[in-house]
Amino acid sequence: DTAVSQTPKYLVTQMGNDKSIKCEQNLGHDTMYWYKQDSKKFLKIMFSYNNKELIINETVPNRFSPKSPDKAHLNLHINSLELGDSAVYFCASSQGVQGLGTEAFFGQGTRLTVV
Amino acid sequence: RKEVEQDPGPFNVPEGATVAFNCTYSNSASQSFFWYRQDCRKEPKLLMSVYSSGNEDGRFTAQLNRASQYISLLIRDSKLSDSATYLCVVPGGFKTIFGAGTRLFVKA
Repeated sequence: DTAVSQTPKYLVTQMGNDKSIKCEQNLGHDTMYWYKQDSKKFLKIMFSYNNKELIINETVPNRFSPKSPDKAHLNLHINSLELGDSAVYFCASSQGVQGLGTEAFFGQGTRLTVV
Repeated sequence: RKEVEQDPGPFNVPEGATVAFNCTYSNSASQSFFWYRQDCRKEPKLLMSVYSSGNEDGRFTAQLNRASQYISLLIRDSKLSDSATYLCVVPGGFKTIFGAGTRLFVKA
């Protein structure tokens, strides 16, 4: 019974295309995130949502548009894909802010390759 | 100073060895910290929480030095299955910062 699930697991697409990644969590958490892990394995936060509201947008290009239809879902739509968007995108969730006793649970990741 | 800084390694150690990783952080207001483990091509998973002066869980010991803004992770009696990347994590409200990770290879 997967706690945080994201689809698809792999995505190969051409430059200029638009694609979406979906994420769902069944943990009852109120906070969800998108992280990007690049080829150097550096995991960088992109967006944080709390109770469907955008809290953090870490200077991500506006080609990236997250949408949270409810607390259990946070989708990521990317317009006009560029080569530099190739990375692994992780969805995560937590109950409130991460801190003592409150860690983030991650989805399995979506490996995006732009050709 | 970077928000979270780790030695990227890799650390190559034989089975049974003791190995220690270091992490420094810049936000002196941070109260608690995490060590996550990430296996190759997998998602990060929580290994240990760190608060007060430190925490111990079996072969793993995490220590915190607030004065120096320094966290360490000690692994005793290394197993082959400990091979992974270890991420130092500093919660910061809704913006949690992950270190770049330290890669560990344990060899037979």
